[in-house]
Amino acid sequence: QKEVEQNSGPLSVPEGAIASLNCTYSDRVSQSFFWYRQYSGKSPELIMSIYSNGDKEDGRFTAQLNKASQYVSLLIRDSQPSDSATYLCAVNPAGGTSYGKLTFGQGTILTVHP
Amino acid sequence: GAVVSQHPSRVICKSGTSVKIECRSLDFQATTMFWYRQFPKKSLMLMATSNEGSKATYEQGVEKDKFLINHASLTLSTLTVTSAHPEDSSFYICSATKDYEQYFGPGTRLTVT
Repeated sequence: QKEVEQNSGPLSVPEGAIASLNCTYSDRVSQSFFWYRQYSGKSPELIMSIYSNGDKEDGRFTAQLNKASQYVSLLIRDSQPSDSATYLCAVNPAGGTSYGKLTFGQGTILTVHP
Repeated sequence: GAVVSQHPSRVICKSGTSVKIECRSLDFQATTMFWYRQFPKKSLMLMATSNEGSKATYEQGVEKDKFLINHASLTLSTLTVTSAHPEDSSFYICSATKDYEQYFGPGTRLTVT
């Protein structure tokens, strides 16, 4: 079983719709969770971090964390073609220490079509 | 956020030569940096953890004598690919942690001919 698992997609949504990206993790003691966006040929860009159960909103992005279910998701509202990218879920399995290694999912490819 | 730079962004070298890649944290100090490589359409693979003032910690299967890491200051880590071969061609990305969040440099695309 992979430590961090994402639907590889591709996920295709129309412009203006809500894109929902999901991620599950296996290490129950994980404390820190991150979503990165990676455009083709570029390095990952941090878009959201979440540490507590519940929702965290930042602009059009909402991260949701459920530690009991070991599940973290990212919702993108009013999706735009510029949101088309690979989205990486990352988990810090080191109990929240600032220098812990991240474990990445394989990424979900999102395409937003006009 | 935080800014991490890498240099060079792209390098082509001949087989058997060595290549050095620099990673800098521009607006913060980083005692720990990380080095990744990424093949086309694949996810990131962590190569090593670079610790300021001490030896790097390499992931299983990564040759420490081939991928030399030096973290001489709180803002600079370097990765040297020694005796590069075509199979070392890849996208190398560094990252640094600030306030519990990890920020990536723009990456270095290495092509070994």
